[in-house]
Amino acid sequence: GENVEQHPSTLSVQEGDSAVIKCTYSDSASNYFPWYKQELGKRPQLIIDIRSNVGEKKDQRIAVTLNKTAKHFSLHITETQPEDSAVYFCAAIYTGANSKLTFGKGITLSVRP
Amino acid sequence: NAGVTQTPKFRILKIGQSMTLQCTQDMNHNYMYWYRQDPGMGLKLIYYSVGAGITDKGEVPNGYNVSRSTTEDFPLRLELAAPSQTSVYFCASSYSQGASQPQHFGDGTRLSIL
Repeated sequence: GENVEQHPSTLSVQEGDSAVIKCTYSDSASNYFPWYKQELGKRPQLIIDIRSNVGEKKDQRIAVTLNKTAKHFSLHITETQPEDSAVYFCAAIYTGANSKLTFGKGITLSVRP
Repeated sequence: NAGVTQTPKFRILKIGQSMTLQCTQDMNHNYMYWYRQDPGMGLKLIYYSVGAGITDKGEVPNGYNVSRSTTEDFPLRLELAAPSQTSVYFCASSYSQGASQPQHFGDGTRLSIL
């Protein structure tokens, strides 16, 4: 089955700096890669996603890039703000029948004011 | 629009007790999921359902049971609670399993087994 790994497990940046969170996946058939943000004590919420036919996607201060050859995808957050502090989960799935979304273990991002 | 609603929010059980975690969604989603989240371990899929009357095991199904008699409801049953089942449980739903169909999560149930 699919295996998704996230590195590093924690990341601390200064407010205003950029943050990059990288994930690797094992199943070359995976074709959909969402990112979820979970603030302390709250539910995970989708913040951005990318399909395998796209190399990059942007939404205001966040972007996701996908490298299918290397089987990794990254979340980029620019101009970080304290409210960006949270746990970020990447996930991967092959969107065929009976496929299941596989999550990474999460990365804790801390933005220092 | 309530989205995905989970009850209870918190519960303490004694070893060997049983309970049902409730999950209901009002988005007419076909797919529903149960995850458990342990500290530093991400989200592990327990069971999922692709529609009423259809359920299937996820990555960590042992010690749990589910049913899906309606589109809206997907309860998770713990028959003999064990300390290893102490966790935060999230229910989620999606319109389909396809791309651009994000999973919507409930607020979670924090369960402690003592």
